Amino acid sequence: KAGVTQTPRYLIKTRGQQVTLSCSPISGHRSVSWYQQTPGQGLQFLFEYFSETQRNKGNFPGRFSGRQFSNSRSEMNVSTLELGDSALYLCASSPNSYTQPQHFGDGTRLSIL
Amino acid sequence: EDQVTQSPEALRLQEGESSSLNCSYTVSGLRGLFWYRQDPGKGPEFLFTLYSAGEEKEKERLKATLTKKESFLHITAPKPEDSATYLCAVQPGGADGLTFGKGTHLIIQP
Repeated sequence: KAGVTQTPRYLIKTRGQQVTLSCSPISGHRSVSWYQQTPGQGLQFLFEYFSETQRNKGNFPGRFSGRQFSNSRSEMNVSTLELGDSALYLCASSPNSYTQPQHFGDGTRLSIL
Repeated sequence: EDQVTQSPEALRLQEGESSSLNCSYTVSGLRGLFWYRQDPGKGPEFLFTLYSAGEEKEKERLKATLTKKESFLHITAPKPEDSATYLCAVQPGGADGLTFGKGTHLIIQP
């Protein structure tokens, strides 16, 4: 069974640009969550999508947005990039319930110059 | 505010030297506590889910336990391949995402 796939693996952008990251969940999983991982803050929850609807949102500015498609694939967009947005962005999927474990992809490493 | 604190931040052990990692949490209604392992350049790999105090789960050299305020990950006779960062996360009772601790960086020396 294929795991969670994130593309691209690495990305370099400059301040002010925008970026879109992609996530394909495990087949059959309907919930997709996004996390930001930095050395200082660790893993922080961005948002979760379920059946194409944002179900939860973390404490991040509106520059961070996402969406989910009917096949459960998800995209995350960050506009007006700042140096502090440099991080590993992780996507995780789970079948449905909040109590079921989330399975993570290997992330997209975003570097802002 | 939900909070997860892991200790120690880093731990260096000799191969075969057993130890425990701690995860203390404060959360409004615990739906589940999760342990993950993360290797450099990789995403977190799921290890265990614990739902209620007194619950225990085992997998090879790892055993996770849960009380009302903390969880322990016991590592018995570790091997160098057990070297990784171990992350603890809680799923609060509300409609929020996982809250993670900062992790314990574990090194097992041959």
